[in-house]
Amino acid sequence: DAKTTQPPSMDCAEGRAANLPCNHSTISGNEYVYWYRQIHSQGPQYIIHGLKNNETNEMASLIITEDRKSSTLILPHATLRDTAVYYCIVRVGGYSTLTFGKGTMLLVSP
Amino acid sequence: DTEVTQTPKHLVMGMTNKKSLKCEQHMGHRAMYWYKQKAKKPPELMFVYSYEKLSINESVPSRFSPECPNSSLLNLHLHALQPEDSALYLCASRGLPTGDYEQYFGPGTRLTVT
Repeated sequence: DAKTTQPPSMDCAEGRAANLPCNHSTISGNEYVYWYRQIHSQGPQYIIHGLKNNETNEMASLIITEDRKSSTLILPHATLRDTAVYYCIVRVGGYSTLTFGKGTMLLVSP
Repeated sequence: DTEVTQTPKHLVMGMTNKKSLKCEQHMGHRAMYWYKQKAKKPPELMFVYSYEKLSINESVPSRFSPECPNSSLLNLHLHALQPEDSALYLCASRGLPTGDYEQYFGPGTRLTVT
């Protein structure tokens, strides 16, 4: 799997959009971008994934640049419950394992 | 039901004890995983089972022994552990090994080795 680079921490005010960046400059054409998050002392939770196109679901939006070398996870209206470590992972579609990097600790404050 | 359950939630064991961690899912997933997570570190893959057969062992010491008795259950047998094995042990499951299915994680078992 290609490696990813994420800022170690970010802050966001409650109710504002949280934009979490991820660099994956060595991503291959058949690798997807996945995002998971881990709330303190819980198991990781899947958020969203994409290959080329932007994706949106009930939790978040994923914006992937045209050259696919970076992406941004957007939480449109962050709440205190969104405080967590967010992991950006690239992996081949269908490949069974996840390799977690250090992630970004997002702190949402009142 | 998209839940992966793990028991026990917490476990304290001595270095000479034998104990087991249990993981269960009823989503019909045929791939199951064990991860180890030390404090303030990301999860690290230990084992992968695919169709009840061990497909990946990430060079885990033999004091950790996984078992997959059926497609819904995954166990991790522990014997002669060291204090440095204290960690959060996470179980996960996924749909068929092909396709684009996300992994569902359980809440983990917090293990302390004394």
